Amino acid sequence: DAGITQSPRYKITETGRQVTLMCHQTWSHSYMFWYRQDLGHGLRLIYYSAAADITDKGEVPDGYVVSRSKTENFPLTLESATRSQTSVYFCASSEVGASSPLHFGNGTRLTVT
Amino acid sequence: GDSVTQMEGPVTLSEEAFLTINCTYTATGYPSLFWYVQYPGEGLQLLLKATKADDKGSNKGFEATYRKETTSFHLEKGSVQVSDSAVYFCALSDQGYSTLTFGKGTMLLVSP
Repeated sequence: DAGITQSPRYKITETGRQVTLMCHQTWSHSYMFWYRQDLGHGLRLIYYSAAADITDKGEVPDGYVVSRSKTENFPLTLESATRSQTSVYFCASSEVGASSPLHFGNGTRLTVT
Repeated sequence: GDSVTQMEGPVTLSEEAFLTINCTYTATGYPSLFWYVQYPGEGLQLLLKATKADDKGSNKGFEATYRKETTSFHLEKGSVQVSDSAVYFCALSDQGYSTLTFGKGTMLLVSP
């Protein structure tokens, strides 16, 4: 089925560990995004990518690393997890940036202990 | 920078009541405006959009009009259903139309 899938759905990790959240889309959309959702803050953009090998920082990029070697994948890595990175992470894709609808995955709930 | 302000929730209504969720924005240029909806345990999905002043977006009985003079994009529905219970996010595009800036979201709870 076409769509956007995130894995894992839930993740618990310890402070200081590296963790990678995966995102895969089957539409061949050019744009992909990572947002985090926190109570009181809504959704905040971490990183986005306009095409393979092109990435840009969003509002809250510190502590995160992304890569996009293939159009369909956009992994998000927390190099050394901190408790402040406990959040729900959403990946999204769109055909032409914000001019076309963003299609969201179902999210990854990450807890850093 | 660009920003979106939404009314705080939760908004609690009885079925068939009229709904208004306020949204105002601050932006340079001429952004496109959006409403997204998030049902429990799911990601966001586009509800409606408007791309220029005085445009009205509509979908599933929901409507919102792009008001440049008041920098607003209020969401309305004439008669809500229990199934409309969700979190609603107002959003605007950046000048390059690459990314969206979201408001904090407004939870709507509709009781039978």
